[in-house]
Amino acid sequence: GAGVSQTPSNKVTEKGKYVELRCDPISGHTALYWYRQSLGQGPEFLIYFQGTGAADDSGLPNDRFFAVRPEGSVSTLKIQRTERGDSAVYLCASSSHGDGNYEQYFGPGTRLTVT
Amino acid sequence: AQKVTQAQTEISVVEKEDVTLDCVYETRDTTYYLFWYKQPPSGELVFLIRRNSFDEQNEISGRYSWNFQKSTSSFNFTITASQVVDSAVYFCALSEANRNTDKLIFGTGTRLQVFP
Repeated sequence: GAGVSQTPSNKVTEKGKYVELRCDPISGHTALYWYRQSLGQGPEFLIYFQGTGAADDSGLPNDRFFAVRPEGSVSTLKIQRTERGDSAVYLCASSSHGDGNYEQYFGPGTRLTVT
Repeated sequence: AQKVTQAQTEISVVEKEDVTLDCVYETRDTTYYLFWYKQPPSGELVFLIRRNSFDEQNEISGRYSWNFQKSTSSFNFTITASQVVDSAVYFCALSEANRNTDKLIFGTGTRLQVFP
């Protein structure tokens, strides 16, 4: 079946602009995660959804970052007033359950470059 | 605090050599899960294994094997008879089960280069 998909694959934006990154999880997966990976680092957790609700948003770096999952499937990560430091690969993952005992399947990521 | 340490930044081997990637973790919880992921040059993270904290049996899958030792908080990964296709960045990760989140906490990764 289809895996996790993310669009766009690449996004270049100017400092100060607003961007939206989209994630389509594996069909039927209730848990959805966003991570951010900087060059040479491991992925860093941003936010976790169980269904439509954000069960843990402790990883969002500041209030410029926001994510939604209105129907419990597709999720959108929104970044306002982008800064050069936001440049990274944004990864989305989904899991059939949200209790740690199930692996998370990752998408190919969106490479965000803020100029 | 939860933390995963992968002290080996980069390892280079020649094909057919065995190689072990080290992973040390820190957690206050008694129930937790450990993972290994592979990130090839294409960039997509590929799940390799999950192990829960109550199961210390070593696991073997083809050329891959994992050694989980709670006494030393380690979860090491060995590739036997390495191949060029094993070249990738490998990440160890921790998830704590006793909280309202199962976010993964990743190490900084070990880049493995296998030369022909």
